[in-house]
Amino acid sequence: GENVEQHPSTLSVQEGDSAVIKCTYSDSASNYFPWYKQELGKRPQLIIDIRSNVGEKKDQRIAVTLNKTAKHFSLHITETQPEDSAVYFCAASRFVSGYALNFGKGTSLLVTP
Amino acid sequence: EAQVTQNPRYLITVTGKKLTVTCSQNMNHEYMSWYRQDPGLGLRQIYYSMNVEVTDKGDVPEGYKVSRKEKRNFPLILESPSPNQTSLYFCASSLWGKGDEKLFFGSGTQLSVL
Repeated sequence: GENVEQHPSTLSVQEGDSAVIKCTYSDSASNYFPWYKQELGKRPQLIIDIRSNVGEKKDQRIAVTLNKTAKHFSLHITETQPEDSAVYFCAASRFVSGYALNFGKGTSLLVTP
Repeated sequence: EAQVTQNPRYLITVTGKKLTVTCSQNMNHEYMSWYRQDPGLGLRQIYYSMNVEVTDKGDVPEGYKVSRKEKRNFPLILESPSPNQTSLYFCASSLWGKGDEKLFFGSGTQLSVL
């Protein structure tokens, strides 16, 4: 099955700096790559996703880039704020019927004022 | 309000005592899934279902059962719980494969098996 590796496991940045989280995947047929944010004690929530026919997607301060050749994708958060502090999970799958969604182990991001 | 409802939120039980965690969604989603979350291991998929009467194993199905008799419900059954099944469990649903793969998660069930 799909194997998703996520780095780093913890990341600490100062408010206003950028944060980058990287993931690699093993299944070259994977074509859907979401990112979920989980605040302490809360449920995971989708923040952005990208399909394999797109190399980059941006939503305000958040962007995701995808390199299909190298089989890796990254989450970029610019101008970080304390409320960005959370655990972030990447995931990969084939989005057609019958395939599982496999998550990375998560990155705990701390944004210090 | 569109939501995924899991019950109970907290459960303490003993080894070997069968239990069921319920999951229900009101969004008419065909796709439903169960995950367990453990520190340092992230979210691992237990089982998923693409539609009524269709279920598939995820990465960690051992010791769990599911059923999908109705579209809205997807219960997780632990026939003989063991301490290594102590974990935080999340149910999720989605329009997976229908153009919107966003997962809607329930609020979680914290299970402790003594």
